Amino acid sequence: DAGVIQSPRHEVTEMGQEVTLRCKPISGHNSLFWYRQTMMRGLELLIYFNNNVPIDDSGMPEDRFSAKMPNASFSTLKIQPSEPRDSAVYFCASSAASEAFFGQGTRLTVV
Amino acid sequence: AQSVTQLDSHVSVSEGTPVLLRCNYSSSYSPSLFWYVQHPNKGLQLLLKYTSAATLVKGINGFEAEFKKSETSFHLTKPSAHMSDAAEYFCVVSTNDYKLSFGAGTTVTVRA
Repeated sequence: DAGVIQSPRHEVTEMGQEVTLRCKPISGHNSLFWYRQTMMRGLELLIYFNNNVPIDDSGMPEDRFSAKMPNASFSTLKIQPSEPRDSAVYFCASSAASEAFFGQGTRLTVV
Repeated sequence: AQSVTQLDSHVSVSEGTPVLLRCNYSSSYSPSLFWYVQHPNKGLQLLLKYTSAATLVKGINGFEAEFKKSETSFHLTKPSAHMSDAAEYFCVVSTNDYKLSFGAGTTVTVRA
């Protein structure tokens, strides 16, 4: 298996634009997580899916953020409209049991 | 509720000397505990995990950690540091619902 695949690896966008981050979890994993990493706040859990259902979205900063998991092999994190303070590295992780496997991350820069 | 406290934000060691990264946790349930490593501009890689089997856990790259329930600790050690160990290390706790809680991270610097 190729591991958790995230795309794009880097994204630079202008303030106000819509940004969509994509994640393909490891086949067979039933849990999926989106995290955001910044220097100021470290790693923050944004949302957690189990069997494609959002279980905990308490970490989603505000309504500008939304996440979907239409099937077991794909998830998106959307920011609309984007703001400079959204600049961060966004990680997707998947898990079958207790151990989570992380993707390489998407480095988002909003200018 | 669960939480993790990494007691050192930064550790600096000389190459060839031991490394100790300290982690304390709190959990309402029997936890699973992990250490992840993140090299600059990279994703997180699992070093080792404890899931209620042996309390001394061996991981990759010569790292090991000991689960001590009485002290609610899961400290990470390595007998001899290499330059390639320079990275950020995260202690993580997970409860039965698979929700992960990350520590703030410890940055390791290795001096030649």
